Amino acid sequence: DGGITQSPKYLFRKEGQNVTLSCEQNLNHDAMYWYRQDPGQGLRLIYYSQIVNDFQKGDIAEGYSVSREKKESFPLTVTSAQKNPTAFYLCASSSEFSFSSYEQYFGPGTRLTVT
Amino acid sequence: AQTVTQSQPEMSVQEAETVTLSCTYDTSESDYYLFWYKQPPSRQMILVIRQEAYKQQNATENRFSVNFQKAAKSFSLKISDSQLGDAAMYFCAYRSVSTASKLTFGTGTRLQVTL
Repeated sequence: DGGITQSPKYLFRKEGQNVTLSCEQNLNHDAMYWYRQDPGQGLRLIYYSQIVNDFQKGDIAEGYSVSREKKESFPLTVTSAQKNPTAFYLCASSSEFSFSSYEQYFGPGTRLTVT
Repeated sequence: AQTVTQSQPEMSVQEAETVTLSCTYDTSESDYYLFWYKQPPSRQMILVIRQEAYKQQNATENRFSVNFQKAAKSFSLKISDSQLGDAAMYFCAYRSVSTASKLTFGTGTRLQVTL
């Protein structure tokens, strides 16, 4: 089955600790994305990557970092510099070279709680 | 910058009835894509329907259809014969063709389906 996996589903951390959220896809998609979702708000883009070894900041990149060493993987690190890290995090991917499908496919998400 | 507005935080519909969710967007571009995503209680984002701006014909997927008014920058979603499984958050999203592949989301509409 092709799809996007995110692990873990729930993550708890103490304030001041860095934490890394995993995102893996086997859809052979070129582009991958990280979004943050807070209550009452839509999804906000944190980082995105259109190709291996390259990524760009989204709208709310401060306090986050990413890497894209493999096409299949796009891990997100929430650093201690992120002032309000408790949120629901969604990873997505899309095929940028398919003219019939620019839609993004989403993983099941990770709920991060920092206390 | 593009913005997407969903002015209905919550909507309610009776089973088997029809409901329309509103979405407006602001852009200076002429070519773009619009999407409706559904997020059920599981929080998995699911693509409902897609519309290419260059197409005048409104997209349809089974019980879901859109009313795309390009001049008015309006993109509403109509759900016919509503079912209990349609209860979810619905997000409208915009994607530019000319710039990077990011999606801009609205704040969502929570749809309740009653018996």
